[in-house]
Amino acid sequence: DAKTTQPPSMDCAEGRAANLPCNHSTISGNEYVYWYRQIHSQGPQYIIHGLKNNETNEMASLIITEDRKSSTLILPHATLRDTAVYYCIVRVPVYGQNFVFGPGTRLSVLP
Amino acid sequence: EAEVAQSPRYKITEKSQAVAFWCDPISGHATLYWYRQILGQGPELLVQFQDESVVDDSQLPKDRFSAERLKGVDSTLKIQPAELGDSAMYLCASSLEETGVPEQYFGPGTRLTVT
Repeated sequence: DAKTTQPPSMDCAEGRAANLPCNHSTISGNEYVYWYRQIHSQGPQYIIHGLKNNETNEMASLIITEDRKSSTLILPHATLRDTAVYYCIVRVPVYGQNFVFGPGTRLSVLP
Repeated sequence: EAEVAQSPRYKITEKSQAVAFWCDPISGHATLYWYRQILGQGPELLVQFQDESVVDDSQLPKDRFSAERLKGVDSTLKIQPAELGDSAMYLCASSLEETGVPEQYFGPGTRLTVT
């Protein structure tokens, strides 16, 4: 079973920041938080990952709370092309461990 | 940019027929995964390979599904016989475990419809 909880859907206005929450209250000390997204009819795409510090790349920012029980993925200026299902996953970076996907959050960016 | 290749992209088959999907991972990626994704749900792992060896196939319905990666590069997933409930997207992914905090890279998937 997935170790994360996400809202099933969210809307965001184009050009505004999209803030996608994820609850992972049972995360263990060596588990990383990964975010993927899946645009309709495509395979999932890696976005970002982090352990305990906030992370930023060209796609998004990841904010992890100090107790690591929740995180937020931020798309700073959402575009229509960001409409997708976003998956939050926790995983130990150990050989053989697989990624367990939940149902994710369906983000709709509205014009 | 290197990509995971899958074929075919779409497959329609009748129940009780055999069907096969092919995946070519990113060059150098030793770990390969097959997932099944039912509409409206997240991907579910079917089988994981490290080189040519199966690491995890606990969720693979072995009475009808088989997977192989004979030379540790490309891989084939087979269903025989197909059932109506097998209609889904079949995704292949690969990763480079040696990086320490590996990311998975997914292919475009094969959408299977069983009639």
